[in-house]
Amino acid sequence: GAVVSQHPSWVICKSGTSVKIECRSLDFQATTMFWYRQFPKQSLMLMATSNEGSKATYEQGVEKDKFLINHASLTLSTLTVTSAHPEDSSFYICSAFSRTTAYNEQFFGPGTRLTVL
Amino acid sequence: KNEVEQSPQNLTAQEGEFITINCSYSVGISALHWLQQHPGGGIVSLFMLSSGKKKHGRLIATINIQEKHSSLHITASHPRDSAVYICAVRSRGGEAAGNKLTFGGGTRVLVKP
Repeated sequence: GAVVSQHPSWVICKSGTSVKIECRSLDFQATTMFWYRQFPKQSLMLMATSNEGSKATYEQGVEKDKFLINHASLTLSTLTVTSAHPEDSSFYICSAFSRTTAYNEQFFGPGTRLTVL
Repeated sequence: KNEVEQSPQNLTAQEGEFITINCSYSVGISALHWLQQHPGGGIVSLFMLSSGKKKHGRLIATINIQEKHSSLHITASHPRDSAVYICAVRSRGGEAAGNKLTFGGGTRVLVKP
């Protein structure tokens, strides 16, 4: 089946620094990529939706200037957490949706655990 | 009321037992996903359903569109099946709705040896 990778798998950073998380679709073209955040023992919360070549659509309550999303190609999207604070510590998951695979569904990345000290 | 409700929230079973997890939703959908999330956090897509029934190994997923209900069954459960199982639906709006998924709260399954 289709594979989505994320890098890094975990990151620890100091408060005030910026962290970039990459999401790649390895063997298919992702027309849409979704970024989720998950706090412990809670369900996934959609942060934003990005379509290749256009600006991301952010969910209500998600600061677009803090969580910068770039979807420059059909196989790569990046999420940059700017000026990270301890409350940004969370598990970030990307998902890629493709109409071009036989499955026509979403595929999830393995997630990135961010800890802000 | 959430658009996607799962039951039970937690389930403990002995190895070998048959497990059923239920998912009810209140909106018209184009597809329903069953996802598995292990303690490490990574999510695996188990099934995508729009009708009927699918089987993969010891896992069986069914959906009843009229009743807006889906079930995930695990036969001959094993400790490695211990994970959180999440039901997610894509609304019938599809691309117009951004192809977004709405998630259930998850069912935490523990299979004891």
